[in-house]
Amino acid sequence: NAGVMQNPRHLVRRRGQEARLRCSPMKGHSHVYWYRQLPEEGLKFMVYLQKENIIDESGMPKERFSAEFPKEGPSILRIQQVVRGDSAAYFCASSPQTADTDTQYFGPGTRLTVL
Amino acid sequence: AQKVTQAQTEISVVEKEDVTLDCVYETRDTTYYLFWYKQPPSGELVFLIRRNSFDEQNEISGRYSWNFQKSTSSFNFTITASQVVDSAVYFCAPPTGGFKTIFGAGTRLFVKA
Repeated sequence: NAGVMQNPRHLVRRRGQEARLRCSPMKGHSHVYWYRQLPEEGLKFMVYLQKENIIDESGMPKERFSAEFPKEGPSILRIQQVVRGDSAAYFCASSPQTADTDTQYFGPGTRLTVL
Repeated sequence: AQKVTQAQTEISVVEKEDVTLDCVYETRDTTYYLFWYKQPPSGELVFLIRRNSFDEQNEISGRYSWNFQKSTSSFNFTITASQVVDSAVYFCAPPTGGFKTIFGAGTRLFVKA
């Protein structure tokens, strides 16, 4: 059973460009979570999605960031007009259910560098 | 709100020493789960353990053991006979009463040969 997959693993963008990060959850998992890890810091929750629904986006910056999890295909985290402060590692996690008890399994992360 | 505190920012030990990583949490929930994750230098996050608040027995997995003390709200993690490959950042995390796992700042462990 393949784990959570994220691509690309490394992404370099210039200021003002768009970044698209992809996450394919583990087979059988219908819940996806995105986290951001700034250098030398812990992970911060961004958004929680189920198929075709955003359940909680309270951790998302109000502007330039959006996320989706379509019926078919991976979850996408999109950052428009990137700025240097967006440079971070972005982790996706998935779980089979939403309950507190569920373990979230993490992907390897996408390291975004904004020049 | 739920909160996790990992007071140790960095720990450095010599190989084969035992090391304990502390985790103190705050919660108003009567039932909850706690997690530990490992982030090696390669950057990925590796799930280590999930512990139910009802189960206060210590858990051991190879060189890893966890000591859950509900009375002191602590969930400490001990590595016995540490190895260089144990060098990583270790995160303690509780669910928040929904689905937003809150991670502590992590403890960076250096194991020297």
